[in-house]
Amino acid sequence: GAGVSQSPRYKVAKRGQDVALRCDPISGHVSLFWYQQALGQGPEFLTYFQNEAQLDKSGLPSDRFFAERPEGSVSTLKIQRTQQEDSAVYLCASSLGGRLAGAYNEQFFGPGTRLTVL
Amino acid sequence: QKEVEQNSGPLSVPEGAIASLNCTYSDRGSQSFFWYRQYSGKSPELIMSIYSNGDKEDGRFTAQLNKASQYVSLLIRDSQPSDSATYLCAVNQYNFNKFYFGSGTKLNVKP
Repeated sequence: GAGVSQSPRYKVAKRGQDVALRCDPISGHVSLFWYQQALGQGPEFLTYFQNEAQLDKSGLPSDRFFAERPEGSVSTLKIQRTQQEDSAVYLCASSLGGRLAGAYNEQFFGPGTRLTVL
Repeated sequence: QKEVEQNSGPLSVPEGAIASLNCTYSDRGSQSFFWYRQYSGKSPELIMSIYSNGDKEDGRFTAQLNKASQYVSLLIRDSQPSDSATYLCAVNQYNFNKFYFGSGTKLNVKP
């Protein structure tokens, strides 16, 4: 596609509910990233995929967060038993190159999913 | 200490002036550096990338990198009201592909 797409754009969940956020990267992009952005802050790294391999998940805040990219394209970020502190904008980004891509690691962001946990 | 530090602003400049945005980073191993613009309620949009010391110009934007001082800056010439946004600095090490973002500097360009 022309750009990174994410769905849903907005999600309201009751505390304790499970949610799934979807990301469609730019076609042909090897790398995919998930970020969490709180109001007034910069994006915080959550996890990184190169194709279908999850190479870094060090930013996931707890074991309630899980991400997958089974076919190396679309990715899903799942949050189980949501808590109020999970309320944030979840951004997905993709880049052309993989690890060691050097100058090809420019990231392009999707529109984000705004999650509100009540 | 945060990996990437930016003054939160707001930085106010009159229309037509030069806006200067600054960023420092803590990891000397950082190899690639990016500036993103983020309008309120929107996602970050890539403006510039820079990989080597010195200046890189693209239209009204100039990115400056000084690895010895661990300092990156963005100059916006002939600032326009449409440039009013939050500007995010991001740094990366190739080997780890983890990007660190600053909290952003809010820029207001007054007509």
